[in-house]
Amino acid sequence: QQQVKQSPQSLIVQKGGISIINCAYENTAFDYFPWYQQFPGKGPALLIAIRPDVSEKKEGRFTISFNKSAKQFSLHIMDSQPGDSATYFCAASNYGGATNKLIFGTGTLLAVQP
Amino acid sequence: NAGVMQNPRHLVRRRGQEARLRCSPMKGHSHVYWYRQLPEEGLKFMVYLQKENIIDESGMPKERFSAEFPKEGPSILRIQQVVRGDSAAYFCASSLDRVANEQFFGPGTRLTVL
Repeated sequence: QQQVKQSPQSLIVQKGGISIINCAYENTAFDYFPWYQQFPGKGPALLIAIRPDVSEKKEGRFTISFNKSAKQFSLHIMDSQPGDSATYFCAASNYGGATNKLIFGTGTLLAVQP
Repeated sequence: NAGVMQNPRHLVRRRGQEARLRCSPMKGHSHVYWYRQLPEEGLKFMVYLQKENIIDESGMPKERFSAEFPKEGPSILRIQQVVRGDSAAYFCASSLDRVANEQFFGPGTRLTVL
């Protein structure tokens, strides 16, 4: 019940295209859903996050879509650029819980071809 | 305005030795999380600490692993009698408080056990 399932495992997109990464969770107590971007040899960096009181959040070229009833959320990267090539992790946590530990998906390796 | 600092960045140990990983949170942050990332996998929560207290250690292996966050100084993740399976990247994250949600990650310590 603590799992977050992420797909696809890897993704190749042409420059200018749309990258879509999907995540699903089981624990209905999760109420904070961040996406992290990680470049090789670096730590994860927060990209964008959403709370379940909204169905969509947009920041620049990055959009999170959230479907509470389906317990799914996705990251859309519009106008994908070679510099977006990285590993993307979705995560979830329980805001009201005793801890704020993040449960991560297994990651998606994105390659944007020029 | 320094971010989360971790040292060493790379650590090589032989089987049976001890590994000590240090994490200095962002200025003003009193909450520290440790995560482990095995090759080709996502990050797994290990332990959550506040100053002088372990709040959640549900992700820590029962033996050989310990963590502390003293009143003064960095947080320490200690692995005794390391084995090859301990080889991984260990990331520390800090947050301002539990309610603030956002966790800022350090660059990680890459542990290699020979």
